[in-house]
Amino acid sequence: DIQLTQSPSFLSASVGDRVTITCRASQGISSYLAWYQQRPGKAPKLLIYAASTLQSGVPSRFSGSGSGTEFTLTISSLQPEDFATYSCQLLNTYPYTFGQGTKLEIK
Amino acid sequence: EVQLVETGGGLIQPGGSLRLSCAASGIIVSRNYMSWVRQAPGKGLEWVSVIYSGGSTYYADSVKGRFTISRDNFKNTLYLQMNSLRAEDTAVYYCARDIGDLGTDIWGQGTMVTVSS
Repeated sequence: DIQLTQSPSFLSASVGDRVTITCRASQGISSYLAWYQQRPGKAPKLLIYAASTLQSGVPSRFSGSGSGTEFTLTISSLQPEDFATYSCQLLNTYPYTFGQGTKLEIK
Repeated sequence: EVQLVETGGGLIQPGGSLRLSCAASGIIVSRNYMSWVRQAPGKGLEWVSVIYSGGSTYYADSVKGRFTISRDNFKNTLYLQMNSLRAEDTAVYYCARDIGDLGTDIWGQGTMVTVSS
C-alpha cells in the first residue's frame, strides 16, 4: 500500500503567519491528493482536491500544490479559525490512506 | 440540506458485533460512493471501506473479513456490520460521501465505538 507522510506533525504559528505543510507519498500518485481540516470534536472538512483545486466555499488563503510524490498545503495568512489539524489523503487507489495529520497550534 | 447521521455506536466487548447505521438526507445513498472512515482517540484518520453506486465494495486490510459495508436503498441508509471486534477497532466512525478523485465532501458527525471488557 502507498504510505503518506506529513511534516511537520506539530506546527506553532501566529495569526497572520504564512504556513506550509508537506505530504510525501511513498510512490507517485500524480495529482490524486486531497487535504482536510479537522477541528477538535468535529468531522473533517474537505479543503482541496486534485492536489490544487479549492473546494467550493473554502477561503482563498488556502492553496495546494504538487504532484507525484510531494505535495504542499499553504495557508497564506493564518486566521484564528484555522488552528486545527490538517490531513492529506490519497485518492488514486484503495486503501485511500490518510497522512498522520499536522496539528496547527497558536503560538 | 444534505445530512448524514450515524447511529449504533457504543461499548462492546472484544469479539462482539455491532452494526452502525448512517441515515442520509439530501443525497441518495444508492447513487453515490459512500465510505466509512474512523479515527481512534488521539490518532489520525483511517479509511475503512467504500461501497460504489454499482454495489462493489472495498475494505482496508485491517477490517477485511470482519466488517461488511451495505446499504438499504429504500431507507436511504448506509450500514457497517462489524464482527469479531478488537480493542484496536475503538474509534469514532464517520460515514461520508466519496466523490472519487474529488475527495470526500460530505461527512456525518461520527459515532463512537469502544471495544473493551
